[in-house]
Amino acid sequence: ETAVFQTPNYHVTQVGNEVSFNCKQTLGHDTMYWYKQDSKKLLKIMFSYNNKQLIVNETVPRRFSPQSSDKAHLNLRIKSVEPEDSAVYLCASSPGQYTEVFFGKGTRLTVV
Amino acid sequence: AQSVTQPDARVTVSEGASLQLRCKYSSSVTPYLFWYVQYPRQGLQLLLKYYSGDPVVQGVNGFEAEFSKSNSSFHLRKASVHWSDSAVYFCAVSMGGGRALIFGTGTTVSVSP
Repeated sequence: ETAVFQTPNYHVTQVGNEVSFNCKQTLGHDTMYWYKQDSKKLLKIMFSYNNKQLIVNETVPRRFSPQSSDKAHLNLRIKSVEPEDSAVYLCASSPGQYTEVFFGKGTRLTVV
Repeated sequence: AQSVTQPDARVTVSEGASLQLRCKYSSSVTPYLFWYVQYPRQGLQLLLKYYSGDPVVQGVNGFEAEFSKSNSSFHLRKASVHWSDSAVYFCAVSMGGGRALIFGTGTTVSVSP
């Protein structure tokens, strides 16, 4: 099966902790993304990663950082979580020259 | 910069009725246009896309969309909805070349029996 896989599905943590989410795509795509979906279903791009070039949305707090070992993997680390980080984090990928984007099922983060 | 507006936050339709979801975009050039659907506790799934050519594009599950350059719109339609069409629908734009999609705020569709 080829798709975008995210782990874990859910994660509950306390304020100030560090968390890390994994994402792997088996579609052979060149570009990967992290989106944040808030409680109102609003989707915001956080990062784009293509050929080791990272494009960061300027509104993303610095406690968020993407980590990539190869073009099939793009993990997300949050250094010290805050309550407003509670959201669903969606990983996605796309072929380099095309624009169709394929999404994983998301990781739901709850910060207590 | 591009932006997308979905003016209807929530739409309720009866099963078997037709559905139209509105989407307007703002861009200096015609972007690539998409409709995605999100079922509960799922990621986003592509319904259809428009790059160029025929302004009416067909998608999965009987959905179609019509592009209008003059109106800067990309409205989604379905002739007869089923209860399983209850979901959140997102319109999105991109300038291509691997750049990220910019999403609208979504329209929640509820299909009543």
